[in-house]
Amino acid sequence: QVQLVQSGSELKKPGASVKVSCKASGYTFTSYAMNWVRQAPGQGLEWMGWINTNTRNPTYAQGFTGRFVFSLDTSVATAYLEITSLKAEDTAVYYCARSNTWNHDYWGQGTLVTVSS
Amino acid sequence: QSALTQPRSVSGSPGQSVTISCTGTSSDVGGYKYVSWYQQHPGKAPKLMIYDVSKRPSGVPDRFSGSKSGNTASLTISGLQAEDEADYYCCSYAGTYTLVFGGGTKLTVL
Repeated sequence: QVQLVQSGSELKKPGASVKVSCKASGYTFTSYAMNWVRQAPGQGLEWMGWINTNTRNPTYAQGFTGRFVFSLDTSVATAYLEITSLKAEDTAVYYCARSNTWNHDYWGQGTLVTVSS
Repeated sequence: QSALTQPRSVSGSPGQSVTISCTGTSSDVGGYKYVSWYQQHPGKAPKLMIYDVSKRPSGVPDRFSGSKSGNTASLTISGLQAEDEADYYCCSYAGTYTLVFGGGTKLTVL
């Protein structure tokens, strides 16, 4: 069965970096794109962008350029989200979600990133 | 691009039907047939309920249905059940390989 398993919660200080992983199993990793979605505490879902798992080409939504980087390690079927120069407002749950055309059919369990001094 | 507009909350009694709207523009909802809906229970990951405006993934009850008219998409839940109480989000393709979510709607089953 399809599974996306994300890395555990992180507590970081402002200015630090964090790298969230999303390990896929149960399907051919390069047959589907991977999306990232942010959910701040008590807020809605926000699409951050996606990465083409064949070409490795990322597409970032407005507001997620510069400090946010999507990457892959296809040898271990894992997608990564790295956030640099962390700010308090980056505190959120980050989800990876597999793309099936333009919908997200499978989601990771979410990774809570807390940014606090 | 701006988030799609959803009502903050809707409610209904068990057995009733409720409809959640999702309003965008001709650049997103109105321009493409790629609207999806997600259900999210507290502390859980979202779950795909409807895709491509009106298609249901395997395992989603047929009480859930989707439609679209112009720039507004709708999710209708008939025969409301207690377990339907959750947050619901719409999402639309918005051109140039981008997506946009709605602000979310809290469904309360009275």
